[in-house]
Amino acid sequence: DAGVTQSPTHLIKTRGQQVTLRCSPKSGHDTVSWYQQALGQGPQFIFQYYEEEERQRGNFPDRFSGHQFPNYSSELNVNALLLGDSALYLCASSLPRQGFQETQYFGPGTRLLVL
Amino acid sequence: DQQVKQNSPSLSVQEGRISILNCDYTNSMFDYFLWYKKYPAEGPTFLISISSIKDKNEDGRFTVFLNKSAKHLSLHIVPSQPGDSAVYFCAASARGNQFYFGTGTSLTVIP
Repeated sequence: DAGVTQSPTHLIKTRGQQVTLRCSPKSGHDTVSWYQQALGQGPQFIFQYYEEEERQRGNFPDRFSGHQFPNYSSELNVNALLLGDSALYLCASSLPRQGFQETQYFGPGTRLLVL
Repeated sequence: DQQVKQNSPSLSVQEGRISILNCDYTNSMFDYFLWYKKYPAEGPTFLISISSIKDKNEDGRFTVFLNKSAKHLSLHIVPSQPGDSAVYFCAASARGNQFYFGTGTSLTVIP
């Protein structure tokens, strides 16, 4: 049973460019969340997708956008990259909602460096 | 505004002894709490969870305690093993909304 997978593993971009990161959820999971983890910090919630819709959003600018496909995989897009966008981007998937409590399972992350 | 705090950036423990990792939160609406372990170059791995209707949950060597009145939870690892050396994050959510993570505690288990 494959866990959460992400691609690419590493990426180098320059300021102003755009980037797309990809995530495939764990088998049986239909909800995908994206997090940004800066060095020395905990993961910070960007947004969550369910049934191809953005269900929740954290405190991130509109430069950060996403998409979920019918097979539940997801993309994170970041436009007009800033140096401060350099971070580890984590994708997490979870089972269909059962009540209000759902455990999220993380992928290995994509390390983005903006020069 | 950091709603989940892990005030100890690092902790060292002898192999075989107990490791206690602490986490404090400010939002009284949080009702679900998780602990994750993270090795370098890997994503966080789920360890154990606890609902606010409980004050203790145990899974093998790992036990999580929740003190709602103090808005405090802790993770106990007994006995600690060298393979437990990693960064540990606590996370909390309120009624299925987004998870808030602490900044992590780096645990080193000394053989």
